[in-house]
Amino acid sequence: QQQVKQSPQSLIVQKGGIPIINCAYENTAFDYFPWYQQFPGKGPALLIAIRPDVSEKKEGRFTISFNKSAKQFSLHIMDSQPGDSATYFCAAPRTSSSNTGKLIFGQGTTLQVKP
Amino acid sequence: DAGITQSPRYKITETGRQVTLMCHQTWSHSYMFWYRQDLGHGLRLIYYSAAADITDKGEVPDGYVVSRSKTENFPLTLESATRSQTSVYFCASSLTGGQYGYTFGSGTRLTVV
Repeated sequence: QQQVKQSPQSLIVQKGGIPIINCAYENTAFDYFPWYQQFPGKGPALLIAIRPDVSEKKEGRFTISFNKSAKQFSLHIMDSQPGDSATYFCAAPRTSSSNTGKLIFGQGTTLQVKP
Repeated sequence: DAGITQSPRYKITETGRQVTLMCHQTWSHSYMFWYRQDLGHGLRLIYYSAAADITDKGEVPDGYVVSRSKTENFPLTLESATRSQTSVYFCASSLTGGQYGYTFGSGTRLTVV
């Protein structure tokens, strides 16, 4: 079964640190790799996404790095703040015959940024 | 209000009961999805719909039924609830099938006792 493997499961950093979350995927239907951010009691919200015609994308303090040959992509949070404390999910499009294109999510990473 | 809304926010039901979770979106998005979120499993797709009257199974459809008679509504029914269906359920919608991301509702926390 197609999977997206996300690590680490949890992460604690000090304010100003640079947490890094990694994801590895299998073959995908098309090239689109989003990251979602989820606060307690809320639904996931699209944070940033990349199409791998570029190897890196930045939006504010959030950066996605993409390595197509290794089938890996990662999220970096620069100058992390306590307000960044949340659960982060990576996702990739499925390739299964009945679910082609639908997003499959990683297991999630719970990030805590200490003041 | 514009957006995607789920109801109820919290539900406690007994084993064997039928329960329906509601999802409503105001964007006229073609695609709608139901996911369940469990610790250690992330988000798993239960069912999705590409348009009104078109639905298909995701990766964990057993024990669930969906319908989509109107574009804006996508209810999820647990025909005979089991404890293993205790979870947080998220509805999502998308203009396309996934190429530009999904918008999620706030979720329904379901406890089966």
